[in-house]
Amino acid sequence: QVQVVESGGGVVQPGGSLRLSCVTSGFPFSDYGMHWVRQAPGKGLEWLTVIWNDGSNINYAVSVKGRFAISRDNSRSTVSLQMNSLTVDDTALYYCVRDKGAGSFSPRHWGQGTLVSVSS
Amino acid sequence: QSALTQPASVSGSPGQAITISCTGSSNDIGYYNHVSWFQQYPNRAPKLLIFDVRDRPSGISNRFSGSKSGNTASLTISGLQPEDEAHYYCSSFTHIGTLVFGGGTKLTV
Repeated sequence: QVQVVESGGGVVQPGGSLRLSCVTSGFPFSDYGMHWVRQAPGKGLEWLTVIWNDGSNINYAVSVKGRFAISRDNSRSTVSLQMNSLTVDDTALYYCVRDKGAGSFSPRHWGQGTLVSVSS
Repeated sequence: QSALTQPASVSGSPGQAITISCTGSSNDIGYYNHVSWFQQYPNRAPKLLIFDVRDRPSGISNRFSGSKSGNTASLTISGLQPEDEAHYYCSSFTHIGTLVFGGGTKLTV
């Protein structure tokens, strides 16, 4: 059974940093790409970034490029999202999502999300 | 990268069929076949319904079907059921190597 569990959310001041973690199980982690997607309160989905199964390819949305960094540890089946220079517009529920394949851009298995609130 | 365009809301009666459109451009939907559809209930994580325009993951009912024509993708739900009432989102791969979502459509049954 595929499991995706995010952690690391919380309250942070504008300009601050936060690191989200995602622990997975139930599948061969090194075979799959991983995404981060967020959803602001009452709003739609916003894709943030993807890292391919072997880490060879990483892409970011324009809105977070240069501020956010995704990484993965295939030995621990985990993926992380380092978020810097946070603004109030980054307040959202952040989902970690396993791709359908190595990097097919089809987010398949979603975690339950971790909430990030940027506020002074 | 602008969000894909979806109608804010659609409605239908039980047993009917409805179609939700998702309009992009030649830089995303019009060029690539990496179009997906997701269903989301309130306070729940999204669920993948359709990938690669028309393919369904295992366990997804065949009442859900996808198609594409030009820069517009469509999700059709046949035999509408009360439990289909949810938000639906489309997504597409883009020419700059990113993924873009539609704004979402609220389906009322």
